[in-house]
Amino acid sequence: DADVTQTPRNRITKTGKRIMLECSQTKGHDRMYWYRQDPGLGLRLIYYSFDVKDINKGEISDGYSVSRQAQAKFSLSLESAIPNQTALYFCATSDSRTRTGSIYEQYFGPGTRLTVT
Amino acid sequence: LAKTTQPISMDSYEGQEVNITCSHNNIATNDYITWYQQFPSQGPRFIIQGYKTKVTNEVASLFIPADRKSSTLSLPRVSLSDTAVYYCLVGDRGSTLGRLYFGRGTQLTVWP
Repeated sequence: DADVTQTPRNRITKTGKRIMLECSQTKGHDRMYWYRQDPGLGLRLIYYSFDVKDINKGEISDGYSVSRQAQAKFSLSLESAIPNQTALYFCATSDSRTRTGSIYEQYFGPGTRLTVT
Repeated sequence: LAKTTQPISMDSYEGQEVNITCSHNNIATNDYITWYQQFPSQGPRFIIQGYKTKVTNEVASLFIPADRKSSTLSLPRVSLSDTAVYYCLVGDRGSTLGRLYFGRGTQLTVWP
C-alpha cells in the first residue's frame, strides 16, 4: 500500500549496532503494527500501538523497542542487532473508526529487508 | 485465536478458477474469516472478509457454509499475476489484542 512507507528498504548492519526502521502513513489510521517475517514462515507481531500514547508488546518483542512519535509515525529500533534478527520487517496500519473497526483489516508497507552480519 | 489449516501449495493454469479451502473447526461465534494475499518481498494485502454465506468483491469471493467450520476463497479466471501466498485468518474483528496469526499460508502458483 503506497500510503504506508518504510525506510530504509534495505539495510545491512553489523552485530552490536543500533538500528532504527521507520514507518510513516498517510491513511489517517490510528493503529500501527510492526511484524517480522522469516523465510518460509508467516508474520510474527513485534509491537503494536492503538494510539500515540499506547504501546503494546507482541509475540516477539525481546531485543526490539518502538516509538510512536505521532499518529502517522511508528519507529522500530534494534538496540544491539544480532544475526538472528535478519529478516523482512513490515509495518502495518488499521483504522478503529471504520464501520468494522477491525484489526483484521490491516494495510502493509513494502517492507524493510534487514541483514545483520 | 481459532487455529486454521490450509493446503501448503496449489497449482493452477491461467484462466482457471481456483478455490482455496481453509479449515477452522474451533471458530467462535464472534469470529470473522479474513483472507490476505502476499507477493514475494511485499507486504500482505487484505483481500476479503466475511462472517457467513457468501461475500464477493472485485478480487475474489468467499464462501462460508452454515457451520462456519471451513471457508473457501475463490479466485475467478486466475492469471500469472495471481501467483502469491494466500493466508486465511480467523478471529474476533472487535478484538483489541492486536495480534493476527498468519500461519504459513497457501502458495498458489499459476502456470501459463
